[in-house]
Amino acid sequence: AQKITQTQPGMFVQEKEAVTLDCTYDTSDQSYGLFWYKQPSSGEMIFLIYQGSYDEQNATEGRYSLNFQKARKSANLVISASQLGDSAMYFCAMREGRGSARQLTFGSGTQLTVLP
Amino acid sequence: DAMVIQNPRYQVTQFGKPVTLSCSQTLNHNVMYWYQQKSSQAPKLLFHYYDKDFNNEADTPDNFQSRRPNTSFCFLDIRSPGLGDAAMYLCATSPLEGGWETQYFGPGTRLLVL
Repeated sequence: AQKITQTQPGMFVQEKEAVTLDCTYDTSDQSYGLFWYKQPSSGEMIFLIYQGSYDEQNATEGRYSLNFQKARKSANLVISASQLGDSAMYFCAMREGRGSARQLTFGSGTQLTVLP
Repeated sequence: DAMVIQNPRYQVTQFGKPVTLSCSQTLNHNVMYWYQQKSSQAPKLLFHYYDKDFNNEADTPDNFQSRRPNTSFCFLDIRSPGLGDAAMYLCATSPLEGGWETQYFGPGTRLLVL
């Protein structure tokens, strides 16, 4: 079974509008972390935002917010006021277990295109 | 600024000719990772080092090896590159503490096999 599922291979959004990128996850651990990364065409993986499984508040970082619904096992990324520079591939990822060198498990990604 | 550096950014090699990719970090992190990312796919973990302890993923081909001579440097050796090894190779680091620190990625090395 897929641990991280991103069902939107591609998304389009008009500049200055908000967009939601979907992510669902599967784990039996009680303690885990969820991450979103942005990967522009240059290839570098840029960390955007993090949500811990025990965090009650949804994480926010500037124009990025994470809509965390634990019961539904979803961790959607919301980008407000989209900019042309937001066009990139976006990956949702999960890290299970605490205090270990455990790997990140990535979803298949969503290619976001911001239209002028 | 503290960072993860990968050299070169682009590497061209010939089929079967050994190639080494390098990664260095100024973050003083305990853990270093190597990922392979093929076009339009998610990164796939090849292996990671926790300090000097090497951890290989079960499905990483024997063709891929790694060395970590010190905390700052980590190398990916591809002994006999095949056409299927053409990909982006990402190095990442993370501290090993009780929290949930993210992994910090370098800019990647794009490998082309001719």
